[in-house]
Amino acid sequence: QVQLKESGPGLVQPSQTLSLTCTVSGFSLTSNSVSWVRQPPGKGLEWMGAIWRGGSTDYNSALKSRLSISRDTSKSQVFLKMNSLQTEDTAIYFCTRSDSGPFDYWGQGVMVTVSS
Amino acid sequence: IQLTQSPSLLSASVGDRVTLSCKGSQNINNYLAWYQQKLGEAPKLLIYKTNSLQTGIPSRFSGSGSGTDYTLTISSLHSEDLATYYCYQYNNGWTFGGGTKLELK
Repeated sequence: QVQLKESGPGLVQPSQTLSLTCTVSGFSLTSNSVSWVRQPPGKGLEWMGAIWRGGSTDYNSALKSRLSISRDTSKSQVFLKMNSLQTEDTAIYFCTRSDSGPFDYWGQGVMVTVSS
Repeated sequence: IQLTQSPSLLSASVGDRVTLSCKGSQNINNYLAWYQQKLGEAPKLLIYKTNSLQTGIPSRFSGSGSGTDYTLTISSLHSEDLATYYCYQYNNGWTFGGGTKLELK
């Protein structure tokens, strides 16, 4: 069945770079796109960016200068890297699948705290 | 496109008919979905393309709308429906609304 699982450090220091991995199963990264969505504690959802079936990417304009999304199709993994982290980047980070439409499957999310 | 959901907080009783609103800053062309998120869980897709029910979602959930204005209706509220609901547009970019928290009256 379709599964997505996020992994990465729970704590990142301010000004440092966040690196997260989304490992997927049950589908191919060349058939579906994967997006990253984040949610600060007690707040709403924010689409961060996506990597499409063909490997191209799109980013939220508010994050574009700090964000990079890539993938390794042989390992069924999608990567997020975001630099210059600040306390307001503290959030749960989700990866989620799209089948040419809305997000239909989500990972459980990983909590990332930005603090010294 | 920006999405504005109203109300931000809705109190209702079990059995009530509940209506949640989502308004876009531009025409969404029906590329509007609704998600339900319970505390500590990932969002769950309920409705896509304005009024298509996702597999496995109870028929008491329905969606409607066009242009810039969309609605999620729960025909008879169940206790397990207490959650926060987000609309999401995928017509022009990808944007979530701010959410409506549904609580028991």
